[in-house]
Amino acid sequence: DTGVSQNPRHKITKRGQNVTFRCDPISEHNRLYWYRQTLGQGPEFLTYFQNEAQLEKSRLLSDRFSAERPKGSFSTLEIQRTEQGDSAMYLCATNPGQTTNEKLFFGSGTQLSVL
Amino acid sequence: DAKTTQPNSMESNEEEPVHLPCNHSTISGTDYIHWYRQLPSQGPEYVIHGLTSNVNNRMASLAIAEDRKSSTLILHRATLRDAAVYYCILRDPPSGNTGKLIFGQGTTLQVKP
Repeated sequence: DTGVSQNPRHKITKRGQNVTFRCDPISEHNRLYWYRQTLGQGPEFLTYFQNEAQLEKSRLLSDRFSAERPKGSFSTLEIQRTEQGDSAMYLCATNPGQTTNEKLFFGSGTQLSVL
Repeated sequence: DAKTTQPNSMESNEEEPVHLPCNHSTISGTDYIHWYRQLPSQGPEYVIHGLTSNVNNRMASLAIAEDRKSSTLILHRATLRDAAVYYCILRDPPSGNTGKLIFGQGTTLQVKP
């Protein structure tokens, strides 16, 4: 257990529904990252927060995706009007943010299945 | 981001050493070499990182070639729990300042009893 908590662990939804995932970082970790991982591939970067500010978004993050980190603590990732192609593992990672070479601590992820 | 090349898969016997290679011929002078591994149904976990000198920690050793165009992650005695996907990643701290990692497909290590 790295201390990064993600909920739910599994989510099954029907195409067209909205889903929201939550990530609770390690206390005092200022940086938070979201990644997406499909079967047999390495994790793909989606977006990054420094405290409450969303500083970078990948072009993979379509307008159906939105992420927030109110008050710089937990973060949520919402997918609207889900599509079957959204089925993947969604991973959250955090680090203290004191230097740019710090290791990332990953949660166990949320596995999304869109039927 | 500079690219790395790793074999898709490797096999090892339990309690034997494992050498996982990584090629990074376009590495820049400021790129650090990071290794993460991902056990089944878990998120990636940090293993080790280095810049120029060989590095050791409780999990593994990292041997970096003198020209830095390749590196090798060494697990000294593989256990069944070391079966995972191992990712070699180049990270350039000064650029972008985001600290993000860009993953490739990694090497799937199988450990046989």
